[in-house]
Amino acid sequence: EPEVTQTPSHQVTQMGQEVILRCVPISNHLYFYWYRQILGQKVEFLVSFYNNEISEKSEIFDDQFSVERPDGSNFTLKIRSTKLEDSAMYFCASSTRQGNQPQHFGDGTRLSIL
Amino acid sequence: DQQVKQNSPSLSVQEGRISILNCDYTNSMFDYFLWYKKYPAEGPTFLISISSIKDKNEDGRFTVFLNKSAKHLSLHIVPSQPGDSAVYFCAASGRDSGNTPLVFGKGTRLSVIA
Repeated sequence: EPEVTQTPSHQVTQMGQEVILRCVPISNHLYFYWYRQILGQKVEFLVSFYNNEISEKSEIFDDQFSVERPDGSNFTLKIRSTKLEDSAMYFCASSTRQGNQPQHFGDGTRLSIL
Repeated sequence: DQQVKQNSPSLSVQEGRISILNCDYTNSMFDYFLWYKKYPAEGPTFLISISSIKDKNEDGRFTVFLNKSAKHLSLHIVPSQPGDSAVYFCAASGRDSGNTPLVFGKGTRLSVIA
C-alpha cells in the first residue's frame, strides 16, 4: 500500500539554526499538508499546499516557516530560525483531489531544538 | 479552542468485547469526520470516516456513528483485539473539499486486555 515517507525520523538542531524537514507524499495525491504535535498536546494544522502554492495556513505558520515542492516528488517544510518551542513531532500528510477524502500521514519527524 | 473533544483520555476493554470511543464537536460547519489510530513512533493511520449526510458507516470490525443534533460521534470496535491497543484520534473538517485542515481531538488511549 502506498505511503507517505518522511526524513529524517529525528532531527536535533541548535536554537537559531535553519532546519528542513522532508516528505514524499503518495504519488497520485495532489494536496499536501504539514501538522505538528507538541508533546502532550493535540495534533495541530500548520499549512496546506495545492498546485504549487499555499492554500491555507494556521496562526502557527508565521514568517519563520515556509514550504516548497522543489520537484515532482518531495514536499519540504523549512523553519528559518528555530526556537525552543518549535520542538515537536512534525507530520506530513497528503490526500487526493476528490472531496471528503482522508488525509494519509507519514510517521513524522521528531524535531528537538537545543 | 476545543472544537473537537475526546473527554476520555483512556479506556480499557477485555479482548472480544466491544470498545466504544466517543467524540464531541462544537463547530456546526464540520461536515466530514474521521477516526485515526496511532501507535508509538508512528504517524496517525486512517481508520474510517463519515460524511455528515450519513449517520453510520461500517468497515469490518469498525463502525462510526454520527449524531448531528447532539454533535457527537462514536467509534465502535467489535470484537476488540489486543492489536487494537493504540491512541485513537477523532478529527473533523469543515468543507466539502480535499483541501481542508483537519481539527483533531486530544485522543483516547485504548488498552485491550487479553
